[in-house]
Amino acid sequence: DGGITQSPKYLFRKEGQNVTLSCEQNLNHDAMYWYRQDPGQGLRLIYYSQIVNDFQKGDIAEGYSVSREKKESFPLTVTSAQKNPTAFYLCASSIAQGAYGYTFGSGTRLTVV
Amino acid sequence: SQKIEQNSEALNIQEGKTATLTCNYTNYSPAYLQWYRQDPGRGPVFLLLIRENEKEKRKERLKVTFDTTLKQSLFHITASQPADSATYLCALESGGYNKLIFGAGTRLAVHP
Repeated sequence: DGGITQSPKYLFRKEGQNVTLSCEQNLNHDAMYWYRQDPGQGLRLIYYSQIVNDFQKGDIAEGYSVSREKKESFPLTVTSAQKNPTAFYLCASSIAQGAYGYTFGSGTRLTVV
Repeated sequence: SQKIEQNSEALNIQEGKTATLTCNYTNYSPAYLQWYRQDPGRGPVFLLLIRENEKEKRKERLKVTFDTTLKQSLFHITASQPADSATYLCALESGGYNKLIFGAGTRLAVHP
Protein backbone atom coordinates (compact mmCIF):
# COMPACT_ATOMS: atom_id res chain seq x y z
CA ASP A 1 0.00 0.00 0.00
CA GLY A 2 1.20 3.52 -0.78
CA GLY A 3 1.86 5.80 2.12
CA ILE A 4 4.22 8.00 4.05
CA THR A 5 6.32 6.70 6.93
CA GLN A 6 7.87 8.71 9.70
CA SER A 7 10.39 7.33 12.17
CA PRO A 8 10.96 7.13 15.01
CA LYS A 9 7.55 7.62 16.63
CA TYR A 10 9.18 8.96 19.81
CA LEU A 11 12.56 10.67 20.09
CA PHE A 12 14.43 12.12 23.02
CA ARG A 13 17.12 14.72 22.57
CA LYS A 14 19.70 15.97 25.02
CA GLU A 15 20.60 19.64 25.19
CA GLY A 16 23.10 20.59 22.47
CA GLN A 17 22.44 17.50 20.38
CA ASN A 18 21.37 17.33 16.74
CA VAL A 19 18.72 14.76 15.83
CA THR A 20 17.34 13.66 12.48
CA LEU A 21 13.73 12.70 11.81
CA SER A 22 13.06 10.37 8.91
CA CYS A 23 10.27 10.75 6.33
CA GLU A 24 9.82 8.32 3.42
CA GLN A 25 6.96 8.14 0.89
CA ASN A 26 6.12 5.69 -1.89
CA LEU A 27 3.27 7.70 -3.40
CA ASN A 28 5.43 9.11 -6.22
CA HIS A 29 4.65 12.62 -4.96
CA ASP A 30 6.98 15.43 -6.01
CA ALA A 31 6.18 17.74 -3.10
CA MET A 32 7.05 17.09 0.55
CA TYR A 33 6.56 19.21 3.65
CA TRP A 34 7.57 19.37 7.30
CA TYR A 35 5.25 20.89 9.89
CA ARG A 36 5.54 21.36 13.61
CA GLN A 37 2.48 21.08 15.88
CA ASP A 38 2.32 22.50 19.40
CA PRO A 39 -0.68 22.21 21.75
CA GLY A 40 -3.39 24.75 20.92
CA GLN A 41 -1.61 25.95 17.79
CA GLY A 42 -2.03 25.22 14.15
CA LEU A 43 0.54 23.30 12.16
CA ARG A 44 3.46 25.59 11.32
CA LEU A 45 5.49 25.04 8.16
CA ILE A 46 9.21 24.41 8.68
CA TYR A 47 10.47 23.48 5.20
CA TYR A 48 9.00 22.29 1.94
CA SER A 49 10.32 20.81 -1.27
CA GLN A 50 8.66 20.78 -4.69
CA ILE A 51 11.30 18.71 -6.46
CA VAL A 52 14.42 16.69 -5.80
CA ASN A 53 17.51 18.72 -4.86
CA ASP A 54 15.44 21.82 -4.13
CA PHE A 55 13.74 23.01 -0.95
CA GLN A 56 12.42 26.24 0.54
CA LYS A 57 12.20 27.67 4.04
CA GLY A 58 8.80 27.85 5.65
CA ASP A 59 7.66 30.16 8.42
CA ILE A 60 9.81 28.71 11.21
CA ALA A 61 12.96 27.32 9.54
CA GLU A 62 15.47 28.66 12.07
CA GLY A 63 17.23 25.83 13.90
CA TYR A 64 16.21 23.20 11.34
CA SER A 65 17.78 21.79 8.18
CA VAL A 66 16.59 19.42 5.45
CA SER A 67 17.83 17.60 2.37
CA ARG A 68 16.04 16.18 -0.68
CA GLU A 69 18.47 13.88 -2.44
CA LYS A 70 15.79 11.38 -3.43
CA LYS A 71 12.17 11.83 -4.43
CA GLU A 72 11.06 9.39 -1.74
CA SER A 73 12.94 10.90 1.19
CA PHE A 74 12.87 14.25 3.02
CA PRO A 75 14.72 14.01 6.36
CA LEU A 76 14.56 16.84 8.90
CA THR A 77 17.45 17.65 11.24
CA VAL A 78 16.66 19.51 14.44
CA THR A 79 19.88 21.28 15.37
CA SER A 80 21.11 22.54 18.72
CA ALA A 81 20.26 26.05 17.49
CA GLN A 82 16.55 25.24 17.86
CA LYS A 83 15.87 26.49 21.38
CA ASN A 84 12.45 24.96 21.89
CA PRO A 85 12.38 21.72 19.91
CA THR A 86 9.87 19.78 22.00
CA ALA A 87 6.88 19.28 19.70
CA PHE A 88 5.00 16.90 17.43
CA TYR A 89 6.58 16.85 13.95
CA LEU A 90 4.53 15.94 10.90
CA CYS A 91 5.74 15.15 7.42
CA ALA A 92 3.40 15.32 4.43
CA SER A 93 3.51 14.82 0.68
CA SER A 94 1.33 15.85 -2.24
CA ILE A 95 1.19 16.25 -5.99
CA ALA A 96 3.16 19.44 -6.62
CA GLN A 97 1.10 21.28 -9.20
CA GLY A 98 -2.53 22.14 -8.67
CA ALA A 99 -4.84 21.77 -5.72
CA TYR A 100 -4.51 18.45 -3.91
CA GLY A 101 -4.87 17.21 -0.39
CA TYR A 102 -1.84 16.23 1.62
CA THR A 103 -1.01 12.75 2.80
CA PHE A 104 0.49 12.94 6.28
CA GLY A 105 2.72 10.56 8.17
CA SER A 106 1.87 9.45 11.69
CA GLY A 107 4.27 11.95 13.24
CA THR A 108 7.34 11.99 15.49
CA ARG A 109 7.08 13.29 19.03
CA LEU A 110 10.38 14.92 20.01
CA THR A 111 11.16 15.65 23.64
CA VAL A 112 14.19 17.44 25.06
CA VAL A 113 15.55 15.79 28.19
CA SER B 1 -0.21 38.67 8.26
CA GLN B 2 -2.45 35.80 7.19
CA LYS B 3 -4.55 34.47 10.01
CA ILE B 4 -6.89 31.50 10.31
CA GLU B 5 -9.33 31.24 13.21
CA GLN B 6 -11.17 28.14 14.31
CA ASN B 7 -13.23 27.92 17.47
CA SER B 8 -10.82 26.79 20.17
CA GLU B 9 -13.63 25.55 22.40
CA ALA B 10 -14.69 21.96 21.93
CA LEU B 11 -18.01 21.34 20.24
CA ASN B 12 -20.20 18.84 22.07
CA ILE B 13 -23.24 17.45 20.27
CA GLN B 14 -25.65 14.55 20.54
CA GLU B 15 -25.44 11.59 18.21
CA GLY B 16 -27.62 12.03 15.14
CA LYS B 17 -27.44 15.82 15.14
CA THR B 18 -25.58 17.98 12.60
CA ALA B 19 -22.20 19.34 13.68
CA THR B 20 -21.14 22.69 12.21
CA LEU B 21 -17.56 23.93 12.50
CA THR B 22 -16.36 27.36 11.44
CA CYS B 23 -13.16 28.57 9.83
CA ASN B 24 -12.55 32.30 9.42
CA TYR B 25 -9.54 33.89 7.79
CA THR B 26 -8.11 37.37 7.30
CA ASN B 27 -5.59 39.16 5.12
CA TYR B 28 -5.68 36.67 2.30
CA SER B 29 -7.68 35.43 -0.66
CA PRO B 30 -6.92 31.71 -1.00
CA ALA B 31 -7.56 29.92 -4.26
CA TYR B 32 -8.85 26.92 -2.28
CA LEU B 33 -9.45 25.65 1.21
CA GLN B 34 -9.16 22.17 2.70
CA TRP B 35 -10.49 20.33 5.74
CA TYR B 36 -8.68 17.58 7.63
CA ARG B 37 -9.51 15.25 10.50
CA GLN B 38 -6.92 14.54 13.19
CA ASP B 39 -7.16 11.90 15.90
CA PRO B 40 -4.99 12.17 19.06
CA GLY B 41 -1.34 11.33 18.41
CA ARG B 42 -1.94 10.80 14.68
CA GLY B 43 -1.31 12.75 11.50
CA PRO B 44 -4.19 14.68 9.89
CA VAL B 45 -6.28 12.95 7.23
CA PHE B 46 -7.50 14.89 4.18
CA LEU B 47 -11.31 15.12 3.90
CA LEU B 48 -12.41 17.75 1.38
CA LEU B 49 -11.11 20.54 -0.85
CA ILE B 50 -13.22 23.46 -2.07
CA ARG B 51 -12.10 26.07 -4.58
CA GLU B 52 -12.83 29.80 -4.46
CA ASN B 53 -15.35 29.56 -7.32
CA GLU B 54 -17.30 26.77 -5.59
CA LYS B 55 -19.96 27.61 -3.04
CA GLU B 56 -20.49 24.12 -1.68
CA LYS B 57 -18.92 20.67 -1.82
CA ARG B 58 -20.36 17.40 -0.49
CA LYS B 59 -18.93 13.99 0.30
CA GLU B 60 -21.20 11.42 1.95
CA ARG B 61 -22.25 12.97 5.30
CA LEU B 62 -19.84 15.89 4.94
CA LYS B 63 -20.60 19.30 3.47
CA VAL B 64 -18.30 22.29 3.12
CA THR B 65 -19.23 25.84 2.14
CA PHE B 66 -16.85 28.61 1.13
CA ASP B 67 -17.88 32.27 1.28
CA THR B 68 -15.07 34.43 -0.09
CA THR B 69 -16.95 37.64 0.76
CA LEU B 70 -17.29 36.73 4.42
CA LYS B 71 -13.88 35.00 4.34
CA GLN B 72 -15.41 31.99 5.99
CA SER B 73 -15.85 28.27 5.49
CA LEU B 74 -18.38 26.11 7.28
CA PHE B 75 -17.89 22.35 7.72
CA HIS B 76 -20.97 20.24 8.41
CA ILE B 77 -21.26 16.61 9.50
CA THR B 78 -24.84 15.35 9.25
CA ALA B 79 -26.22 12.42 11.25
CA SER B 80 -23.13 12.60 13.47
CA GLN B 81 -21.78 9.50 15.17
CA PRO B 82 -19.45 8.98 18.16
CA ALA B 83 -16.82 7.79 15.63
CA ASP B 84 -16.81 11.35 14.20
CA SER B 85 -15.24 12.60 17.45
CA ALA B 86 -11.87 14.13 16.54
CA THR B 87 -10.17 17.46 15.90
CA TYR B 88 -10.98 19.07 12.56
CA LEU B 89 -8.44 21.36 10.90
CA CYS B 90 -9.02 24.00 8.28
CA ALA B 91 -6.17 24.76 5.85
CA LEU B 92 -5.78 27.51 3.25
CA GLU B 93 -3.67 27.61 0.14
CA SER B 94 -0.92 30.15 0.68
CA GLY B 95 1.41 31.50 -1.96
CA GLY B 96 1.06 28.81 -4.60
CA TYR B 97 2.79 25.44 -5.04
CA ASN B 98 0.05 23.78 -2.98
CA LYS B 99 1.57 25.27 0.20
CA LEU B 100 -0.95 25.29 3.05
CA ILE B 101 -1.36 27.21 6.30
CA PHE B 102 -3.41 25.50 9.00
CA GLY B 103 -5.78 26.62 11.71
CA ALA B 104 -5.42 25.27 15.25
CA GLY B 105 -8.46 23.06 14.82
CA THR B 106 -11.74 22.50 16.64
CA ARG B 107 -12.32 19.41 18.74
CA LEU B 108 -15.65 17.70 18.14
CA ALA B 109 -17.16 15.31 20.68
CA VAL B 110 -20.26 13.36 19.65
CA HIS B 111 -22.10 11.81 22.59
CA PRO B 112 -24.33 8.71 22.36
